[in-house]
Amino acid sequence: QVQLQESGPGLVKPSQTLSLTCTVSGGSFSSGSYYWTWIRQPAGRGLEWIGRIFTSGSTNYNPSLKSRVTMSVDTSKNQFSLMLSSVTAADTAVYYCARGYSGYDWGLDYWGQGTLVTVSS
Amino acid sequence: QSVLTQPPSASGTPGQRVTISCSGSSSNIGSHTVNWYQQLPGTAPKLLIYNNNQRPSGVPDRFSGSKSGTSASLAISGLQSEDEADYYCAAWDDSLDRVFGGGTKLTVL
Repeated sequence: QVQLQESGPGLVKPSQTLSLTCTVSGGSFSSGSYYWTWIRQPAGRGLEWIGRIFTSGSTNYNPSLKSRVTMSVDTSKNQFSLMLSSVTAADTAVYYCARGYSGYDWGLDYWGQGTLVTVSS
Repeated sequence: QSVLTQPPSASGTPGQRVTISCSGSSSNIGSHTVNWYQQLPGTAPKLLIYNNNQRPSGVPDRFSGSKSGTSASLAISGLQSEDEADYYCAAWDDSLDRVFGGGTKLTVL
């Protein structure tokens, strides 16, 4: 069974960099049939795609966040990470990591439980 | 404001059939396939429909999807109390951006 688990600080100060890591267990992390993605959800609001990364290192980012986002992958640890710089209160949200699967037309078939990140001084 | 437009709410009684619409444009739904996700309260979203109308293994056939032009729909037949959740449509956009609808809160009366 594939499991994803987000980890990282739950509180980040304004103007600083938010850093999260997603650890994947089960399945074949490095398969080209998958990509790894971050999605966030402010309280009481909808889902926002942040970006995706393949284990080759290829990335795509949400154009509205592109200037502040960096994603990376560590295949030796079955982990991928998110860095979001210059955060403001508007970046406060539950952050999810998820897997996109080519067999489901790149639909997101496994998700982490989500981690709340609050931006506040 | 979301790129894909969904009604904020929908409702139905047990056993009823309900539909949720998702409207986009030629750069997203008009050019790409649609996924649907179900988010139960306090949980992560779950993939319900991919490739417009396909169900992942384990998803009941009460859930069905369709697409026409720049719009898509999710239908739930034989509505059950456990279907009460938020539902989101999603599609790729030509900008290589994954876009979501704003979500529809389904209430089972």
